[in-house]
Amino acid sequence: GESVGLHLPTLSVQEGDNSIINCAYSNSASDYFIWYKQESGKGPQFIIDIRSNMDKRQGQRVTVLLNKTVKHLSLQIAATQPGDSAVYFCAENQAGTALIFGKGTTLSVSS
Amino acid sequence: NAGVTQTPKFRVLKTGQSMTLLCAQDMNHEYMYWYRQDPGMGLRLIHYSVGEGTTAKGEVPDGYNVSRLKKQNFLLGLESAAPSQTSVYFCASSYAWGEAFFGQGTRLTVV
Repeated sequence: GESVGLHLPTLSVQEGDNSIINCAYSNSASDYFIWYKQESGKGPQFIIDIRSNMDKRQGQRVTVLLNKTVKHLSLQIAATQPGDSAVYFCAENQAGTALIFGKGTTLSVSS
Repeated sequence: NAGVTQTPKFRVLKTGQSMTLLCAQDMNHEYMYWYRQDPGMGLRLIHYSVGEGTTAKGEVPDGYNVSRLKKQNFLLGLESAAPSQTSVYFCASSYAWGEAFFGQGTRLTVV
């Protein structure tokens, strides 16, 4: 079936670097996308979302980019900190459906 | 504000035993969900509810039942537990389709 996936299962960066986490989706009907952060032993927490009528959305140190032509979503984290170490999930849905999650990328930040 | 609360946090079951996982939310959300999370698999939707008294099947519903007798509660039942149901279970709720708020998870082991 159609699903959301991520390009890389793990990403290692140095503190202070910018991180880019990628996600490919296959359902062209999806119109809402969201990034979650999951720390060890905790539930997923909302980071940022974007609707299909937008290409870019910025939050505090985070930016989400949406390329509908190639069905690609990315999360950029500026000045990555050790506290950013976690598993990051992209998820998508369309009206009338629950969120469908990708498999996740583990971000490791070293000092 | 507690958000989404799951009970219990940990449980060990023997094969064939039954149990019920409780989810409670205090945000007056209409929509509630049960997901399971397995290593390398992301989160997969088991069942969901769009309002009190309603339930629907998700991606992996076999072996589970749910009930939504009260708006704030969503129960997940395992009638006859199997080792394949060893997983971390997450409950979530949302105001509408889209951003969902997650509980802390229940780690279930079936031996």
